[in-house]
Amino acid sequence: DTGVSQNPRHKITKRGQNVTFRCDPISEHNRLYWYRQTLGQGPEFLTYFQNEAQLEKSRLLSDRFSAERPKGSFSTLEIQRTEQGDSAMYLCASSLQGALSTEAFFGQGTRLTVV
Amino acid sequence: DAKTTQPTSMDCAEGRAANLPCNHSTISGNEYVYWYRQIHSQGPQYIIHGLKNNETNEMASLIITEDRKSSTLILPHATLRDTAVYYCIVRVLQETSGSRLTFGEGTQLTVNP
Repeated sequence: DTGVSQNPRHKITKRGQNVTFRCDPISEHNRLYWYRQTLGQGPEFLTYFQNEAQLEKSRLLSDRFSAERPKGSFSTLEIQRTEQGDSAMYLCASSLQGALSTEAFFGQGTRLTVV
Repeated sequence: DAKTTQPTSMDCAEGRAANLPCNHSTISGNEYVYWYRQIHSQGPQYIIHGLKNNETNEMASLIITEDRKSSTLILPHATLRDTAVYYCIVRVLQETSGSRLTFGEGTQLTVNP
């Protein structure tokens, strides 16, 4: 399977714990995005990388959230001191840079439940 | 990116065409219309996009009005597997913003047997 891969698919954690999610984009895609989706809402943009550079961060990305893409390939999203409000689906997407870049390809997401 | 308005939900009979409308009356001349869908518990999936002309691919057709203030996504022969939330998104293609997408709440399409 050469699509976007996210791990784990599901994560249950206790409030206050740290969690880390991983995203492996489509191999030739140099752009990588993180989104968050809560029940009944559309996905909300969190942050975006071009290669290893983090070019944009949403105001939704509080200081408890950090994302990295150290070698311009896979990315990790860490949430420190989780809160119940962090419970959501975390989606990763990748795309190829281009003058008329088209679609982003999404992974199946990591569903986080904070108890 | 321009705001879009979509109906909250729609129903369609299996085998019939599903026509999903989207209003984007504030669209700018350089903004494209994109459609994605999200089947339950999966990530969004790209369907089609266009600027001015009507577009067709193996999944759907996109009809954009001449004034570009609205569009319709057409699934010509809906199947049960087309049951999903459909998102209409308008955006400028800029190198600096990549493919960042602003999703609304979309239309829940239910295809009935």
